[in-house]
Amino acid sequence: EAQVTQNPRYLITVTGKKLTVTCSQNMNHEYMSWYRQDPGLGLRQIYYSMNVEVTDKGDVPEGYKVSRKEKRNFPLILESPSPNQTSLYFCASSRSRALGDRGPGANVLTFGAGSRLTVL
Amino acid sequence: GENVEQHPSTLSVQEGDSAVIKCTYSDSASNYFPWYKQELGKRPQLIIDIRSNVGEKKDQRIAVTLNKTAKHFSLHITETQPEDSAVYFCAASKAGSARQLTFGSGTQLTVLP
Repeated sequence: EAQVTQNPRYLITVTGKKLTVTCSQNMNHEYMSWYRQDPGLGLRQIYYSMNVEVTDKGDVPEGYKVSRKEKRNFPLILESPSPNQTSLYFCASSRSRALGDRGPGANVLTFGAGSRLTVL
Repeated sequence: GENVEQHPSTLSVQEGDSAVIKCTYSDSASNYFPWYKQELGKRPQLIIDIRSNVGEKKDQRIAVTLNKTAKHFSLHITETQPEDSAVYFCAASKAGSARQLTFGSGTQLTVLP
């Protein structure tokens, strides 16, 4: 089954304790991205990756790191979590990496199930 | 950067009535406008999208309209059903790529039986 898998799904941690949220996709997608969802703010992009070893900042990158060493994996790293990073996090992927790719489904984002993170 | 505003934030309709959600965007270079539906506790899923070379697109009970001049686009759901209850997000992107997809703040649609 084609899917995006995130782990953990739920996590409660304390300020300053490094954590990693893993994301893996089995669709050979070029593009992967992380979003956080907060009430009234919608989905805000944290980081994205157009290909292996190619990552770039989204709208809210502060306090986060990512890496794309393999095509299928795109982990989100919180080096020193703070309470304002309490949120619902979604990883997503899509086939398109090239600007202007208009092929069927090229730009459709497939989301993971979400990871609810609480930082105390 | 792009800014997408979405209204209303909440919308309640009677079953069978129509629902309309509106979004405006700021960057005239944006040319790809998807709508995602997120049911309670679930992940967002694409329901329909439109590119700037068309003004309207329909898929059964849902339709999206785009006014490039005014920089706004809308989602129309006809004959609403309880299973349409969800949060709907509009989004905008440049050059047909999901690279810089900017989402609206979401609309909680409740369809009352």
